[in-house]
Formats: sequence, C-alpha cells, structure tokens
Amino acid sequence: DIQMTQSPSSLSASVGDRVTITCRASQGIRNDLGWYQQKPGKAPKRLIYAASSLQSGVPSRFSGSGSGTEFTLTISSLQPEDFATYYCLQHNTYPWTFGQGTKVEIK
Amino acid sequence: EVQLVDSGGGLVQPGGSLRLSCAASGFTFSSFSMNWVRQAPGKGLEWVASIKQDGSEQYYVDSVKGRFTISRDSAKNSVYLQMNSLRVEDTAVYYCARGLGGFWGQGTLVTVSS
Repeated sequence: DIQMTQSPSSLSASVGDRVTITCRASQGIRNDLGWYQQKPGKAPKRLIYAASSLQSGVPSRFSGSGSGTEFTLTISSLQPEDFATYYCLQHNTYPWTFGQGTKVEIK
Repeated sequence: EVQLVDSGGGLVQPGGSLRLSCAASGFTFSSFSMNWVRQAPGKGLEWVASIKQDGSEQYYVDSVKGRFTISRDSAKNSVYLQMNSLRVEDTAVYYCARGLGGFWGQGTLVTVSS
C-alpha cells in the first residue's frame, strides 16, 4: 500500500499568514493527488485535483504543487474561513490512501 | 446541480448488517466511478471501497474485504454499500464520493454497539 505522510499534523497561524502543508508518498504517484478541506460536521470539499489544478469555485489563494512523491498545498493569505482540517488523497493505486490530516488553528 | 444523498445509517449490534445507499443526481451517473469513504469519530478519512463505471470492478480496503460489498444500479442512479459482520471499529460517518473525489454526499452515521 502507498503511505501518505502529511505534515505538520497541526499548525497555528494568523489571518494573512502564508501556510504550507506537505504530503509525501511512499512511492511515485505521478500527479494523482487531491487536496481536501473539512470543517467540523461537514463533508470534505476538494480544493485541488491532479496535484496542481484548482477546483472550480475555490479561491485563488489556494494552490498545489508537486509530482511523484512530494506535494504541497499553499494558502497564500490565510482567511478566517480557512481554519479547518486539510487532507491529501492519492488515487494512483488501490487502496487509495489519505494523509493523516493537518488541523489549521487560529493563533 | 450535482447531488449525492447518503442514507441507511443507524445503530446496529456487532455482527449485524446494514445497507447504505447513495442517490445521485445532476450528472451522468454511468460516466463516473463511485466510492465510499468513512471517518471514525474524531479521526481522519479512510477510503473504503470503489466501483467502476460499469460495475465490472470493485476494490476494497483490506479491513472490510469479505464483509462489505459495493454495488451500483444505473436505473436508479444509486450506489450501495452492503455491510455484514459489522464490528465496533466500523463505527463511522460514511460518505459516498464521485469519481476522483470531486463531489461528496453529506454522510450517514453508522454506530456498531451492543
């Protein structure tokens, strides 16, 4: 199985900060990766697909990069509505696997 | 508008069975693979099962193989998860998701407890 190692597991940041979250795959997955945002009690929402493509309707402050084994989600200027938990998901090989999640909290 | 409506969750005793449903609308159902993902209370997301567009192939996480079955009905635009031999550790909110995870249902809670 492909392991997705996501870091950090949590972070504290202020409104306006630049935030970076990383996922590392245990083997190459090309660009078969998505990034998701989840707020308490809600279903996950996809922000990024194919590692770097912005989902329709998602603000441009979100961006993704990477290919192969190293991937990054960046929020260029954190907004109050961005405080949530973020997950990566690889869909290159079954079983699909998620990262452990990154909880973004208010500093 | 794309909609996925999950239903069928509830309280069941260990060893029992439950069938989850996901009703899809707003898109061509037969063009997309479908998936089930779960989230145990206070935990992260776990992919559970996928089924190809024509239903010819199914995939499962190891922990549910032999106990869960994913299926789909194109006439009803629905995907199902039959869950047998349920265990306490299967307690979770179960979400259906379309394709590569672009759209998700609202989730349905399954509680396995005596």
